[in-house]
Amino acid sequence: NAGVTQTPKFRVLKTGQSMTLLCAQDMNHEYMYWYRQDPGMGLRLIHYSVGEGTTAKGEVPDGYNVSRLKKQNFLLGLESAAPSQTSVYFCASSYTLGLAGGQNTGELFFGEGSRLTVL
Amino acid sequence: AQSVTQLGSHVSVSEGALVLLRCNYSSSVPPYLFWYVQYPNQGLQLLLKYTTGATLVKGINGFEAEFKKSETSFHLTKPSAHMSDAAEYFCAVRTGYSTLTFGKGTMLLVSP
Repeated sequence: NAGVTQTPKFRVLKTGQSMTLLCAQDMNHEYMYWYRQDPGMGLRLIHYSVGEGTTAKGEVPDGYNVSRLKKQNFLLGLESAAPSQTSVYFCASSYTLGLAGGQNTGELFFGEGSRLTVL
Repeated sequence: AQSVTQLGSHVSVSEGALVLLRCNYSSSVPPYLFWYVQYPNQGLQLLLKYTTGATLVKGINGFEAEFKKSETSFHLTKPSAHMSDAAEYFCAVRTGYSTLTFGKGTMLLVSP
């Protein structure tokens, strides 16, 4: 029972390089999220998706792009990495109640994180 | 806009002592509130949540939290700390229909 899987778990980049983080979930969840965690800052939402083919900006979207071509996958891209993007990145997914409006109960299932260092 | 504030970035207790982690929220609508725990080098996992109904919510590992609307608080407690409770704890509020906003976290340190 894999849950939410993130790859890679560790990566070191040079300033200006690009990379993609992959998140895969096997729980048939509609909602998926990318957060970044920095010391003393908690978790901040980068982008999220409420279904296949949809994406939306979170609190700190600048410098990142995302895609949700398949329901089970959510990709986070950095086109030109900067040292300020050094962080631990977490993917999460969640289900909805299926009520009108598709309310999210708020229980997120997290991956184990991807530690990115930009030199 | 909904937000949460966690009081104290670090809390230290002795094993067997009461654990109290504080969270205050700001919300213009009835809030959905959550506590998540993060053990070292792991992702977050849900401890407990308040949506509607009973204001005292029980979670996993003996933790509970009480929603107090008059105080805009959702403090997390455990009667007796165990060494295995050492972790970082995050309070969160549901924002809109589909996202959570997290507090900055409180690191719980448990000494023997």
